[in-house]
Amino acid sequence: GNSVTQMEGPVTLSEEAFLTINCTYTATGYPSLFWYVQYPGEGLQLLLKATKADDKGSNKGFEATYRKETTSFHLEKGSVQVSDSAVYFCALIEKSSGDKLTFGTGTRLAVRP
Amino acid sequence: DAGVIQSPRHEVTEMGQEVTLRCKPISGHNSLFWYRQTMMRGLELLIYFNNNVPIDDSGMPEDRFSAKMPNASFSTLKIQPSEPRDSAVYFCASSRPSGSVNEQYFGPGTRLTVT
Repeated sequence: GNSVTQMEGPVTLSEEAFLTINCTYTATGYPSLFWYVQYPGEGLQLLLKATKADDKGSNKGFEATYRKETTSFHLEKGSVQVSDSAVYFCALIEKSSGDKLTFGTGTRLAVRP
Repeated sequence: DAGVIQSPRHEVTEMGQEVTLRCKPISGHNSLFWYRQTMMRGLELLIYFNNNVPIDDSGMPEDRFSAKMPNASFSTLKIQPSEPRDSAVYFCASSRPSGSVNEQYFGPGTRLTVT
């Protein structure tokens, strides 16, 4: 079956530091990949996505590249802000599984001023 | 666009009581998902509907849980009787197939506390 593995959190960084949150996946076919973000007390929001190998998703300074050879979709940001403090979820959809998103366990990011 | 609407936002009830959570998906979306989020188990898919028909309910934990979608603009998740271990945040999400990428839009969640 499909699965998503994320690095354990929490990740604590100082403002303006570089961020990487690792994500790897297992899928039987060719999934679409997503990063969702959950701010405190809110639902999940789509942050970025990529639908095929070598695609780069980007939004709000965050980027992730779909690497088929390493089955990875690592999230990066060059300079984090306090307002980026949230939980980040990596996820995939594979058409053979219908409309179901498979989520990772989430990685909590805390950014210090 | 109003986004996915859930009600109530917070619910506190006593063990044994019936709880009903409500969701209004985004207009035009034809898939609806119910999730549960806890610290211990993370985010779990409970059930999802496509065109008002339940497609996969394998995540529904027990017979105490039931979900309905009587029309395209409304869904309910019912727990009867409720137990303390049902305490969690319950999210509803909806999506509209867009090519090969089915982006899900989440509601703000209902925080359920069963005492």
